[in-house]
Amino acid sequence: DVKVTQSSRYLVKRTGEKVFLECVQDMDHENMFWYRQDPGLGLRLIYFSYDVKMKEKGDIPEGYSVSREKKERFSLILESASTNQTSMYLCASNPGGYYEQYFGPGTRLTVT
Amino acid sequence: QKEVEQDPGPLSVPEGAIVSLNCTYSNSAFQYFMWYRQYSRKGPELLMYTYSSGNKEDGRFTAQVDKSSKYISLFIRDSQPSDSATYLCAMAGGSTLGRLYFGRGTQLTVWP
Repeated sequence: DVKVTQSSRYLVKRTGEKVFLECVQDMDHENMFWYRQDPGLGLRLIYFSYDVKMKEKGDIPEGYSVSREKKERFSLILESASTNQTSMYLCASNPGGYYEQYFGPGTRLTVT
Repeated sequence: QKEVEQDPGPLSVPEGAIVSLNCTYSNSAFQYFMWYRQYSRKGPELLMYTYSSGNKEDGRFTAQVDKSSKYISLFIRDSQPSDSATYLCAMAGGSTLGRLYFGRGTQLTVWP
């Protein structure tokens, strides 16, 4: 079974803080993705990575950065958290050459 | 225009009803079509995966793809309260580096 884990289920941070969201997958997948999910807007792709140290911007990268130093780990960084970044954050992965993605349980981030 | 359009509902049906969920898309390069199910406060899980046009059946679930109309459907027969969830369509194709394009999701409630 593919397992994608995220470091926290719930997180509360203050405006201006630097926030790290961690994602780990145990299936040696090449590709990893970060999404945010908001009511009425669905899933929106923030960044994805198709190899270690490689990254591509998704549809809404502003205010975020990512890091992938090891194949199994993909981190999302909010450089200076703002209230409009309050959301559910979902990590996913898939093997190279395939499209079906496997999701983690999500992190519900609240920025106050 | 979004690449993938999905009616967000909500949809409310009695137990035992046949449910029809639909998405339309604009990119003719899409060839891989998926349906994900997402329970409240959980990550999406892959439910059905089809390639190109045609039907695929898995128990009470049937996925249909009509590429000529750029239209995909998910049918749920004999719906159960445990089917209450948000259903997201997703698709990919061409050189998209493994990324998926999602609909906004349809919220379904099956009442006993």
